[in-house]
Amino acid sequence: SQQGEEDPQALSIQEGENATMNCSYKTSINNLQWYRQNSGRGLVHLILIRSNEREKHSGRLRVTLDTSKKSSSLLITASRAADTASYFCATDLLGAQKLVFGQGTRLTINP
Amino acid sequence: DSGVTQTPKHLITATGQRVTLRCSPRSGDLSVYWYQQSLDQGLQFLIQYYNGEERAKGNILERFSAQQFPDLHSELNLSSLELGDSALYFCASSKGQLPYEQYFGPGTRLTVT
Repeated sequence: SQQGEEDPQALSIQEGENATMNCSYKTSINNLQWYRQNSGRGLVHLILIRSNEREKHSGRLRVTLDTSKKSSSLLITASRAADTASYFCATDLLGAQKLVFGQGTRLTINP
Repeated sequence: DSGVTQTPKHLITATGQRVTLRCSPRSGDLSVYWYQQSLDQGLQFLIQYYNGEERAKGNILERFSAQQFPDLHSELNLSSLELGDSALYFCASSKGQLPYEQYFGPGTRLTVT
């Protein structure tokens, strides 16, 4: 099974609202990253949070990490139609030199 | 534009055939990663090369192989193709050995008929 699992699988909100996506993982990590993918295109790196960090901001993005619960959340504030995409969390497992991606959350922003 | 290029964009081939996918990393990046994305399996890590040497291996089939050349471009070879190999194949690059902040190419869509 996947190391990272996003929740919900799909999310549909109105433009201007905030969108929250969650990611849970199973084993200890070095860091956790969030990526965005527009339909059929390559993934775009959004933000990286290290295992010793609890919160990180980048523009309208806010990421939290709770290593005790093995979970992370991505908050997109004041959503725009252009935020419509799939969002993936990826974990960099301790001792492994690879990223493991979750199945993603498909976010739709309705105008 | 991530700076990572992949060719070809689309590839249609028959079962049993062999294809080669090509990737050029961002300028200055030494690591190249290959991923397969399909509807049922999601995004699966295949293999990583760092400065010409294999560094990490994921769920790569024995029918698949890859290499990274001295100029740092990489090729993914897929042989004895099966219908189930139809997928998007992504290449990504990063500066160092560890998979931080990967930059993805636009992908190659492979269709096996």
